[in-house]
Amino acid sequence: AQKVTQAQTEISVVEKEDVTLDCVYETRDTTYYLFWYKQPPSGELVFLIRRNSFDEQNEISGRYSWNFQKSTSSFNFTITASQVVDSAVYFCALGVRSEKLVFGKGTKLTVNP
Amino acid sequence: DTEVTQTPKHLVMGMTNKKSLKCEQHMGHRAMYWYKQKAKKPPELMFVYSYEKLSINESVPSRFSPECPNSSLLNLHLHALQPEDSALYLCASSQVKGLVYGYTFGSGTRLTVV
Repeated sequence: AQKVTQAQTEISVVEKEDVTLDCVYETRDTTYYLFWYKQPPSGELVFLIRRNSFDEQNEISGRYSWNFQKSTSSFNFTITASQVVDSAVYFCALGVRSEKLVFGKGTKLTVNP
Repeated sequence: DTEVTQTPKHLVMGMTNKKSLKCEQHMGHRAMYWYKQKAKKPPELMFVYSYEKLSINESVPSRFSPECPNSSLLNLHLHALQPEDSALYLCASSQVKGLVYGYTFGSGTRLTVV
């Protein structure tokens, strides 16, 4: 069975602070896909990144960066110099073989001015 | 057009009502999905359509009835719902191998059952 754990339920930071959101996954499959989504209060899930299990390269996109480590089954997400607009719930998700995504419980990030 | 459009955005219905949720995309995607998200919980998959055929049903109660009349449209017909069915219903679409190509989500329908 697949499982995603986001241990941080809520995080509150002050604008311009860096913040890391943790994601730990479990699967016995050797081929799998990991995703991060942002969900603002309006409700839509905004795609941030997708990684497959064969690509351990870390990625940076503007203020966002992702650290994928198969050795620790983690796919952590860092926001550098956070902004108020980053306030949202962030979900990490895992998919294997079928089209069923298994989501973590989410981390609610609040960035205060 | 890179959007998934869901209507209505909000819906309040009684337990004896029949209503439908609608989802539309014009990205040429041939897979479409319904997810249910309870408050402060993650989304949970309900149904997957691939090439307009139901390919995954996650043991959803029969009071939820999906329909995919064509490759651009996905409906969710609701009948005799319970208050615990109140949730945000999210639609998504993808190329057939969504895991490889990614999913596009709509902004959802917030359903309240009274």
